[in-house]
Amino acid sequence: AQSVAQPEDQVNVAEGNPLTVKCTYSVSGNPYLFWYVQYPNRGLQFLLKYITGDNLVKGSYGFEAEFNKSQTSFHLKKPSALVSDSALYFCAVRESTGAGSYQLTFGKGTKLSVIP
Amino acid sequence: GAVVSQHPSRVICKSGTSVKIECRSLDFQATTMFWYRQFPKKSLMLMATSNEGSKATYEQGVEKDKFLINHASLTLSTLTVTSAHPEDSSFYICSARVAGRYNEQFFGPGTRLTVL
Repeated sequence: AQSVAQPEDQVNVAEGNPLTVKCTYSVSGNPYLFWYVQYPNRGLQFLLKYITGDNLVKGSYGFEAEFNKSQTSFHLKKPSALVSDSALYFCAVRESTGAGSYQLTFGKGTKLSVIP
Repeated sequence: GAVVSQHPSRVICKSGTSVKIECRSLDFQATTMFWYRQFPKKSLMLMATSNEGSKATYEQGVEKDKFLINHASLTLSTLTVTSAHPEDSSFYICSARVAGRYNEQFFGPGTRLTVL
């Protein structure tokens, strides 16, 4: 079975400061990892993904994430936070092959608040 | 590319009535569509997986007679909430899977259902 943990319900950061939203995962095979952002009453918007290759993945709106296989982590980062980054962030995982490759498993979400 | 739409975006209905939500892939063919439910400040819960031309596969605990899913074409899946009750009020999100592109899922903007 695959699972995702986002240990922080909420992250507060001052505008202009770097931000990190944490994610760890568990899969039996190789993972495909995703980050999505959700604004109030909206669907999920894709930010970035790790499939294979370079461990540092760059995505939309200046976000990036680093795949760390030994720590089974895929933390989301941004060098300088904007107030408009305030939203709900979801990490998701699925296996690259096999029975778990069919469905995405989501973390419970982390609410990011960027303080002006 | 890979845009998914949902209609309606918001719906308010009386208890006991049925509501249909449409999910369309606008610029690609989706062999598989997924339906999720999201409670306030909670993660996405997969309700069912629908494949074009076949019966949907429901997750454990989801009533198939209450949440009717039809996937009549490669670009359209519908979710009908039958005999809706206030506890069915939620945010419903669909996604469509693109075969061959790492089986990526693209999400619709969501439908807010309120049952009075």
